[in-house]
Amino acid sequence: AQTVTQSQPEMSVQEAETVTLSCTYDTSESNYYLFWYKQPPSRQMILVIRQEAYKQQNATENRFSVNFQKAAKSFSLKISDSQLGDTAMYFCAFRTIIQGAQKLVFGQGTRLTINP
Amino acid sequence: DAGITQSPRHKVTETGTPVTLRCHQTENHRYMYWYRQDPGHGLRLIHYSYGVKDTDKGEVSDGYSVSRSKTEDFLLTLESATSSQTSVYFCAISDTTADYTFGSGTRLTVV
Repeated sequence: AQTVTQSQPEMSVQEAETVTLSCTYDTSESNYYLFWYKQPPSRQMILVIRQEAYKQQNATENRFSVNFQKAAKSFSLKISDSQLGDTAMYFCAFRTIIQGAQKLVFGQGTRLTINP
Repeated sequence: DAGITQSPRHKVTETGTPVTLRCHQTENHRYMYWYRQDPGHGLRLIHYSYGVKDTDKGEVSDGYSVSRSKTEDFLLTLESATSSQTSVYFCAISDTTADYTFGSGTRLTVV
């Protein structure tokens, strides 16, 4: 079974700083997808970034980038030039396919606070 | 997201009563999911559906049942609510080439 671990329950940084959120996972599959989701106080789940395991190049989306280390089963999220609006819960997730359905396995979450 | 709606948004119910949460989609996606979110656990899959009348269990299915009589609706039922089922429940949809879209969640409190 797949597992996803986020070892940082809470983090806090100053506005404009760079912050890295950690995520490790365990799987025996060779081809899979990994995701970072953001959940602001509104409770909405927002996709931040995705990484396909067979792609060696790390995914980037504007100020968000990942460091994907397949051999180490590590998938960290870096937020550059952090903004107050980045304050949220962040979830790392692993996707597996069963009967065509995309089942997501989530980590425990990291609560990120950006201070002015 | 306008393509998926959950109802109700909040609900308080008493222990032992039945509760049904509704998820409605307008995207015609084949797959639908119910997750629960609890502190320290992230989101965990309760049940999912891969077509009309086709459903299967997730990792935390005990105490829950689901039904999908048409493509657009996926119902989650707690036959006899318990305090351990106090949680935030999320519905999600996906398709073969589409990532997840999550609903806005239902906060359920069992007293």
